[in-house]
Amino acid sequence: DVKVTQSSRYLVKRTGEKVFLECVQDMDHENMFWYRQDPGLGLRLIYFSYDVKMKEKGDIPEGYSVSREKKERFSLILESASTNQTSMYLCASSPGGAPIMNTEAFFGQGTRLTVV
Amino acid sequence: AQSVAQPEDQVNVAEGNPLTVKCTYSVSGNPYLFWYVQYPNRGLQFLLKYITGDNLVKGSYGFEAEFNKSQTSFHLKKPSALVSDSALYFCAVRDPIRGNNRLAFGKGNQVVVIP
Repeated sequence: DVKVTQSSRYLVKRTGEKVFLECVQDMDHENMFWYRQDPGLGLRLIYFSYDVKMKEKGDIPEGYSVSREKKERFSLILESASTNQTSMYLCASSPGGAPIMNTEAFFGQGTRLTVV
Repeated sequence: AQSVAQPEDQVNVAEGNPLTVKCTYSVSGNPYLFWYVQYPNRGLQFLLKYITGDNLVKGSYGFEAEFNKSQTSFHLKKPSALVSDSALYFCAVRDPIRGNNRLAFGKGNQVVVIP
């Protein structure tokens, strides 16, 4: 079974801190994604990566950056955490290559981040 | 850009009754469509997908979905709901022409199955 593991289930951080959310997948997937989930807004894409060291902005990249130094690991970085970044963060991965579009994404269990 | 609409915030259904969760989509070409389920404090689990072929797609846990191109819909259905089906359901779409690898998600539907 595909496993996508997020390093923390719950995190509490202070305003202004630099926050790292880590995600690791064990299925050699090319594509990895970071979403945030908020009630009434569904899932919104922050960043995604289709290869090592490659990244693309999603719909809400402001205040975030990402790092993908190894294929299995995709990190989300909050440069200076703010209270409006309190949310559930979900990491996902999916196979690349051809065909790529018809494959489902596999999700981690989520990290609930609270910024105080 | 591709988008998904899930018009109802919450769906209430009695145990044993049919369950329907609605989804409509907007893409420039033929869509790739997905349904996911999320149980409390968990990540999303894949239920089923439509890529091509038969409009009726069968998935996990007895769920199925019907692709209707003329109505741009992909409603999720289950003939007989269980209390354990109470969860948050998300519809998602990829646009194979313009969407790159992006999955666009709807806002989600909370399903409550009443014993």
